[in-house]
Order: sequence, then C-alpha cells, then structure tokens
Amino acid sequence: NAGVMQNPRHLVRRRGQEARLRCSPMKGHSHVYWYRQLPEEGLKFMVYLQKENIIDESGMPKERFSAEFPKEGPSILRIQQVVRGDSAAYFCASSPPGILSGELFFGEGSRLTVL
Amino acid sequence: AQKVTQAQTEISVVEKEDVTLDCVYETRDTTYYLFWYKQPPSGELVFLIRRNSFDEQNEISGRYSWNFQKSTSSFNFTITASQVVDSAVYFCALINAGGTSYGKLTFGQGTILTVHP
Repeated sequence: NAGVMQNPRHLVRRRGQEARLRCSPMKGHSHVYWYRQLPEEGLKFMVYLQKENIIDESGMPKERFSAEFPKEGPSILRIQQVVRGDSAAYFCASSPPGILSGELFFGEGSRLTVL
Repeated sequence: AQKVTQAQTEISVVEKEDVTLDCVYETRDTTYYLFWYKQPPSGELVFLIRRNSFDEQNEISGRYSWNFQKSTSSFNFTITASQVVDSAVYFCALINAGGTSYGKLTFGQGTILTVHP
C-alpha cells in the first residue's frame, strides 16, 4: 500500500503568488487532515475534510487559505497571495472511516518557501 | 483546551548515553490518547507510539521506553544507549478520544535531540 502522498515536496513562491499543495490519502482512507509546521515549532491543526465536505476548519487562517477534498482526486490546500509568513512545512494526514482517535498516517510534508 | 508542553527545547548527548525526553500535558477529558513522533532531518513524521489514557503500563520497544504517569500528566520517552541515528526532533502529541476529536492532534513544541559520536 502506498502511503500518504504529498506533492510537491518543495515549492518556492514569490510574495503575491498562489501556492497549491496536493495530498493523496492512503487507499481506503476518506478522511484528510492538514497541519502546518512553522519553523522551529510543533505542528498545528488546520483543517479536517472528508470527501466533498469540510468538517472542521477551525485552524485555518480566515483569509487566503482554502482546502478541498473533491469526490475524485487529491485534497488541495490552496494559499492565495502568499506572504513570507506562510513559509512552513505543510503536512497532510489521512485516516480510514470509523477510526480510533488519532490513528493518522502522515505524508512527508510539502515545504513552502516564500521569497 | 488541550496543551502539550515539552520543556526541553534541545538536548545534546554523546553516543551510548541514555536520554529522557519529557512531555507534560493538560486536558479536561478523561479519555484521551498520547503519542510520540520522530522527525528526522529528512523532515517526515515517523509514528513511534500511541497510548490511551486507561493504560498506564510502561512500554518498551527495543531501546525505546515510555513512562506514562496519569497522576502527574506526564508521558516521558527514554532512549537507552543512544545512537547517532536517533538525532531528530521528537514531538509529543495528545488527542481527545471523544467522537468529535477525529484527527485533531495537539502537538508539543518538539525537542531537538542531537547525539554526538
């Protein structure tokens, strides 16, 4: 079984551009979570999605950030008009339905650098 | 609100020394899970252990051991006879086991462990 796949692994953007990060969950997993790791900090929950539904976006910045998990295809975390403070590692995790709490499988992360 | 505190920002040891990474947590929930993850220099997150709040037995896995003490809200991690490959950032994390918690982990700030040859 392939693990959680994230791409790109590294992304460089200039201020004002858009960043799109993709996450393909493990086979059979219908729950996707995005976490952000700012430099020298722990991971912070951003959003929890199921297919075609945002369940909890309490950790998402109110502006410029959006996430989706369409019926077909990967989950996308989109950051519009990036600023230097968006530079971070963005981790995706997935879990199957009916999980025990916290039974997450993490991807290898996407590292965004904003110049 | 939940909180995880890893008071040690950085630890440096020489190979073969034992090292303990501290983790203290706060939660109002009576049922929860605790985790340790390793983040090596390559950046990925490696799951090490999950422990539920009802199970206070200590666990040993090779050179790794975990000491869960509910009375002091601590879940410490010990590496015995450390090796250079243990050098990484280690994160402690907590999640409420209730139905609405799903995958919303609360992470500590991490402890950077450097093992010198």
